[in-house]
Amino acid sequence: AQTVTQSQPEMSVQEAETVTLSCTYDTSESNYYLFWYKQPPSRQMILVIRQEAYKQQNATENRFSVNFQKAAKSFSLKISDSQLGDTAMYFCAFVQGGSEKLVFGKGTKLTVNP
Amino acid sequence: NAGVTQTPKFQVLKTGQSMTLQCAQDMNHEYMSWYRQDPGMGLRLIHYSVGAGITDQGEVPNGYNVSRSTTEDFPLRLLSAAPSQTSVYFCASSYDIAGRSTDTQYFGPGTRLTVL
Repeated sequence: AQTVTQSQPEMSVQEAETVTLSCTYDTSESNYYLFWYKQPPSRQMILVIRQEAYKQQNATENRFSVNFQKAAKSFSLKISDSQLGDTAMYFCAFVQGGSEKLVFGKGTKLTVNP
Repeated sequence: NAGVTQTPKFQVLKTGQSMTLQCAQDMNHEYMSWYRQDPGMGLRLIHYSVGAGITDQGEVPNGYNVSRSTTEDFPLRLLSAAPSQTSVYFCASSYDIAGRSTDTQYFGPGTRLTVL
């Protein structure tokens, strides 16, 4: 079974600085997708970024980028120029290609301090 | 489009009571699913459906029933609520694209359920 591990339960960063959240996963499949979801205090699950395993290029979305290391099964999220609105729980998630069953990590609580 | 909607937003039940959590989507998505979120556990899949009339179990299905009579609706039923079912429940939907590039799952706003 696939598993997703987020080893940092909590992190904090100063406004305007850069922070990196870690995620590792375990799978024997070659076709899969990885996601980072953000959950602010409103509880809404918001997609931050996605990565297709077959793509070597790391995905980026404005201030958010990933470092996808397929051989190491690592998928970290870098947030640049952190903003107060980035304060949230961040979940790493995995889905096998052809399936829609997301497997989530336990989350990292990120606090951006003014 | 309203996206994925869930009702109610909050619910308190007594042990043994039954209730149905409603989920609807207006995006013509074939795939719908239910997750529960517990502190320190992330989200775990309860049940899912790849289309009307088709449902299957996820990681934590015990104590929950689902059915899918229409593309739009995917209700989650608790037949006899237990305190262990106290959680936040999320419904999600996406295109069913087995064999092709996986699309994004869209989540509803969640239902906070407390079972006393």
